[in-house]
Amino acid sequence: KQEVTQIPAALSVPEGENLVLNCSFTDSAIYNLQWFRQDPGKGLTSLLLIQSSQREQTSGRLNASLDKSSGRSTLYIAASQPGDSATYLCAVRGFGNEKLTFGTGTRLTIIP
Amino acid sequence: NAGVTQTPKFRILKIGQSMTLQCTQDMNHNYMYWYRQDPGMGLKLIYYSVGAGITDKGEVPNGYNVSRSTTEDFPLRLELAAPSQTSVYFCASSSRTGEYQPQHFGDGTRLSIL
Repeated sequence: KQEVTQIPAALSVPEGENLVLNCSFTDSAIYNLQWFRQDPGKGLTSLLLIQSSQREQTSGRLNASLDKSSGRSTLYIAASQPGDSATYLCAVRGFGNEKLTFGTGTRLTIIP
Repeated sequence: NAGVTQTPKFRILKIGQSMTLQCTQDMNHNYMYWYRQDPGMGLKLIYYSVGAGITDKGEVPNGYNVSRSTTEDFPLRLELAAPSQTSVYFCASSSRTGEYQPQHFGDGTRLSIL
Protein backbone atom coordinates (compact mmCIF):
# COMPACT_ATOMS: atom_id res chain seq x y z
CA LYS A 1 0.00 0.00 0.00
CA GLN A 2 1.38 3.38 -1.01
CA GLU A 3 2.08 5.81 1.81
CA VAL A 4 3.08 9.43 1.34
CA THR A 5 4.84 11.38 4.08
CA GLN A 6 5.59 15.07 4.32
CA ILE A 7 7.98 16.28 6.99
CA PRO A 8 7.93 18.73 8.66
CA ALA A 9 4.24 19.30 9.26
CA ALA A 10 4.88 23.02 9.68
CA LEU A 11 7.67 25.38 8.66
CA SER A 12 8.29 29.10 9.24
CA VAL A 13 10.95 31.03 7.33
CA PRO A 14 11.77 34.74 6.90
CA GLU A 15 10.73 36.44 3.70
CA GLY A 16 13.29 36.26 0.92
CA GLU A 17 14.80 32.92 1.88
CA ASN A 18 14.93 29.93 -0.43
CA LEU A 19 13.34 26.81 1.00
CA VAL A 20 12.76 23.14 0.28
CA LEU A 21 9.68 21.08 1.09
CA ASN A 22 9.99 17.31 1.23
CA CYS A 23 7.75 14.45 0.13
CA SER A 24 8.56 10.76 0.44
CA PHE A 25 6.61 7.74 -0.83
CA THR A 26 6.98 4.04 -0.10
CA ASP A 27 6.22 2.48 -3.51
CA SER A 28 8.48 3.71 -6.30
CA ALA A 29 6.16 2.37 -9.04
CA ILE A 30 4.38 5.66 -9.61
CA TYR A 31 2.82 7.13 -12.74
CA ASN A 32 3.27 10.74 -11.71
CA LEU A 33 3.61 13.05 -8.72
CA GLN A 34 1.77 16.30 -8.21
CA TRP A 35 2.38 19.24 -5.87
CA PHE A 36 -0.56 21.35 -4.70
CA ARG A 37 -1.04 24.37 -2.48
CA GLN A 38 -4.08 24.82 -0.29
CA ASP A 39 -5.07 28.15 1.19
CA PRO A 40 -7.24 28.20 4.34
CA GLY A 41 -10.85 27.44 3.52
CA LYS A 42 -10.07 26.81 -0.12
CA GLY A 43 -9.56 23.92 -2.46
CA LEU A 44 -6.28 22.65 -3.82
CA THR A 45 -4.42 24.46 -6.57
CA SER A 46 -2.13 22.38 -8.75
CA LEU A 47 1.43 23.75 -8.83
CA LEU A 48 3.50 21.20 -10.68
CA LEU A 49 3.00 17.72 -12.08
CA ILE A 50 6.00 15.46 -12.76
CA GLN A 51 5.53 12.41 -14.95
CA SER A 52 7.45 9.30 -13.91
CA SER A 53 9.81 9.70 -16.86
CA GLN A 54 10.78 13.22 -15.78
CA ARG A 55 13.27 14.33 -13.15
CA GLU A 56 12.02 17.87 -12.53
CA GLN A 57 9.52 20.55 -13.46
CA THR A 58 9.77 24.30 -13.08
CA SER A 59 7.21 27.07 -12.90
CA GLY A 60 8.39 30.56 -12.03
CA ARG A 61 10.00 30.48 -8.57
CA LEU A 62 9.00 26.85 -8.04
CA ASN A 63 11.04 23.79 -8.94
CA ALA A 64 9.96 20.24 -8.19
CA SER A 65 12.27 17.26 -8.46
CA LEU A 66 11.52 13.55 -8.49
CA ASP A 67 13.79 10.66 -7.55
CA LYS A 68 11.72 7.49 -7.92
CA SER A 69 14.50 5.14 -6.86
CA SER A 70 14.76 6.78 -3.44
CA GLY A 71 11.03 7.51 -3.20
CA ARG A 72 11.49 11.24 -2.78
CA SER A 73 10.35 14.51 -4.25
CA THR A 74 11.27 18.05 -3.25
CA LEU A 75 9.58 21.36 -3.93
CA TYR A 76 12.04 24.25 -4.02
CA ILE A 77 10.68 27.76 -3.56
CA ALA A 78 13.05 30.59 -4.41
CA ALA A 79 12.95 34.05 -2.85
CA SER A 80 9.96 33.29 -0.64
CA GLN A 81 7.18 35.87 -0.26
CA PRO A 82 4.38 36.26 2.32
CA GLY A 83 1.93 35.22 -0.41
CA ASP A 84 3.59 31.80 -0.47
CA SER A 85 2.14 31.08 2.97
CA ALA A 86 -0.16 28.07 2.55
CA THR A 87 -0.26 24.32 3.07
CA TYR A 88 1.64 22.38 0.42
CA LEU A 89 0.58 18.84 -0.41
CA CYS A 90 2.11 16.22 -2.62
CA ALA A 91 0.22 13.33 -4.18
CA VAL A 92 1.31 10.30 -6.18
CA ARG A 93 -0.62 8.31 -8.76
CA GLY A 94 0.07 4.60 -9.14
CA PHE A 95 -0.32 2.57 -12.31
CA GLY A 96 -3.65 1.15 -13.39
CA ASN A 97 -5.88 3.14 -11.09
CA GLU A 98 -7.36 6.58 -10.70
CA LYS A 99 -6.38 7.00 -7.09
CA LEU A 100 -4.10 9.77 -5.94
CA THR A 101 -2.42 9.08 -2.59
CA PHE A 102 -1.95 12.34 -0.71
CA GLY A 103 0.45 13.36 1.99
CA THR A 104 -0.86 15.32 4.97
CA GLY A 105 0.94 18.47 3.88
CA THR A 106 3.44 21.00 5.16
CA ARG A 107 1.99 24.25 6.50
CA LEU A 108 4.36 27.00 5.36
CA THR A 109 4.47 30.45 6.95
CA ILE A 110 6.61 33.18 5.42
CA ILE A 111 7.47 35.82 8.01
CA PRO A 112 7.57 39.39 6.63
CA ASN B 1 -14.08 30.68 -16.52
CA ALA B 2 -15.58 29.27 -13.29
CA GLY B 3 -13.62 25.99 -13.22
CA VAL B 4 -15.06 23.56 -10.65
CA THR B 5 -18.03 24.84 -8.65
CA GLN B 6 -19.33 23.14 -5.51
CA THR B 7 -22.54 23.87 -3.66
CA PRO B 8 -23.36 24.30 -0.86
CA LYS B 9 -20.24 25.68 0.85
CA PHE B 10 -21.44 24.75 4.32
CA ARG B 11 -24.13 22.44 5.64
CA ILE B 12 -25.21 20.99 8.97
CA LEU B 13 -27.19 17.75 8.90
CA LYS B 14 -28.83 15.67 11.55
CA ILE B 15 -27.98 11.98 11.86
CA GLY B 16 -30.05 9.97 9.39
CA GLN B 17 -30.81 12.85 7.02
CA SER B 18 -29.82 12.73 3.39
CA MET B 19 -28.41 15.34 1.06
CA THR B 20 -26.71 15.82 -2.27
CA LEU B 21 -23.47 17.72 -2.73
CA GLN B 22 -23.39 19.37 -6.13
CA CYS B 23 -20.34 19.66 -8.38
CA THR B 24 -20.16 21.12 -11.86
CA GLN B 25 -17.23 21.93 -14.12
CA ASP B 26 -17.06 24.02 -17.27
CA MET B 27 -13.73 22.80 -18.65
CA ASN B 28 -15.16 19.84 -20.60
CA HIS B 29 -13.06 17.46 -18.50
CA ASN B 30 -13.89 13.79 -18.83
CA TYR B 31 -12.53 12.77 -15.42
CA MET B 32 -14.22 13.85 -12.20
CA TYR B 33 -13.51 12.93 -8.58
CA TRP B 34 -14.89 13.25 -5.08
CA TYR B 35 -12.52 13.42 -2.10
CA ARG B 36 -12.97 13.93 1.59
CA GLN B 37 -10.42 15.69 3.79
CA ASP B 38 -10.39 15.02 7.52
CA PRO B 39 -8.24 17.05 9.96
CA GLY B 40 -4.65 15.84 10.01
CA MET B 41 -5.31 13.30 7.27
CA GLY B 42 -4.57 13.29 3.58
CA LEU B 43 -7.38 13.50 1.06
CA LYS B 44 -9.18 10.21 0.45
CA LEU B 45 -10.87 9.33 -2.84
CA ILE B 46 -14.57 8.48 -2.46
CA TYR B 47 -15.75 7.97 -6.05
CA TYR B 48 -14.57 8.90 -9.50
CA SER B 49 -15.88 9.00 -13.05
CA VAL B 50 -14.02 8.71 -16.34
CA GLY B 51 -16.93 9.99 -18.40
CA ALA B 52 -20.70 10.42 -18.54
CA GLY B 53 -22.46 7.25 -17.45
CA ILE B 54 -19.31 5.70 -15.94
CA THR B 55 -18.52 5.76 -12.22
CA ASP B 56 -16.36 3.66 -9.93
CA LYS B 57 -15.52 3.35 -6.25
CA GLY B 58 -12.49 4.92 -4.71
CA GLU B 59 -10.85 4.24 -1.38
CA VAL B 60 -13.73 5.15 0.97
CA PRO B 61 -17.08 4.73 -0.88
CA ASN B 62 -19.26 3.36 1.93
CA GLY B 63 -22.23 5.57 2.75
CA TYR B 64 -22.06 7.52 -0.52
CA ASN B 65 -23.49 7.29 -4.02
CA VAL B 66 -22.74 9.13 -7.24
CA SER B 67 -24.11 9.53 -10.72
CA ARG B 68 -22.72 11.11 -13.89
CA SER B 69 -25.45 11.84 -16.41
CA THR B 70 -23.59 14.71 -18.10
CA THR B 71 -19.96 15.65 -18.65
CA GLU B 72 -20.39 18.76 -16.50
CA ASP B 73 -22.08 17.43 -13.36
CA PHE B 74 -21.02 14.86 -10.77
CA PRO B 75 -23.25 14.97 -7.66
CA LEU B 76 -22.41 13.07 -4.47
CA ARG B 77 -25.27 11.73 -2.37
CA LEU B 78 -25.29 10.87 1.32
CA GLU B 79 -28.30 8.68 2.05
CA LEU B 80 -28.18 8.23 5.84
CA ALA B 81 -25.86 10.79 7.33
CA ALA B 82 -23.60 9.57 10.14
CA PRO B 83 -21.23 11.54 12.40
CA SER B 84 -18.26 9.80 10.72
CA GLN B 85 -19.16 11.64 7.53
CA THR B 86 -18.37 15.01 9.08
CA SER B 87 -15.63 16.26 6.81
CA VAL B 88 -14.69 18.67 4.05
CA TYR B 89 -15.64 17.34 0.63
CA PHE B 90 -13.79 18.33 -2.51
CA CYS B 91 -14.75 17.75 -6.09
CA ALA B 92 -12.05 17.74 -8.77
CA SER B 93 -11.83 17.31 -12.51
CA SER B 94 -9.12 16.63 -15.05
CA SER B 95 -8.58 15.60 -18.62
CA ARG B 96 -6.43 12.88 -20.08
CA THR B 97 -4.86 13.39 -23.46
CA GLY B 98 -2.30 10.62 -23.37
CA GLU B 99 -0.77 11.60 -20.06
CA TYR B 100 -2.87 12.45 -17.05
CA GLN B 101 -3.30 16.19 -16.68
CA PRO B 102 -3.40 18.09 -13.36
CA GLN B 103 -6.57 17.87 -11.30
CA HIS B 104 -8.54 21.09 -10.72
CA PHE B 105 -10.36 21.39 -7.41
CA GLY B 106 -13.43 23.21 -6.19
CA ASP B 107 -13.43 25.18 -2.94
CA GLY B 108 -15.08 22.40 -0.97
CA THR B 109 -18.24 21.72 1.01
CA ARG B 110 -17.86 21.76 4.78
CA LEU B 111 -20.33 19.24 6.20
CA SER B 112 -21.15 18.63 9.85
CA ILE B 113 -23.36 15.76 11.01
CA LEU B 114 -24.84 16.28 14.46
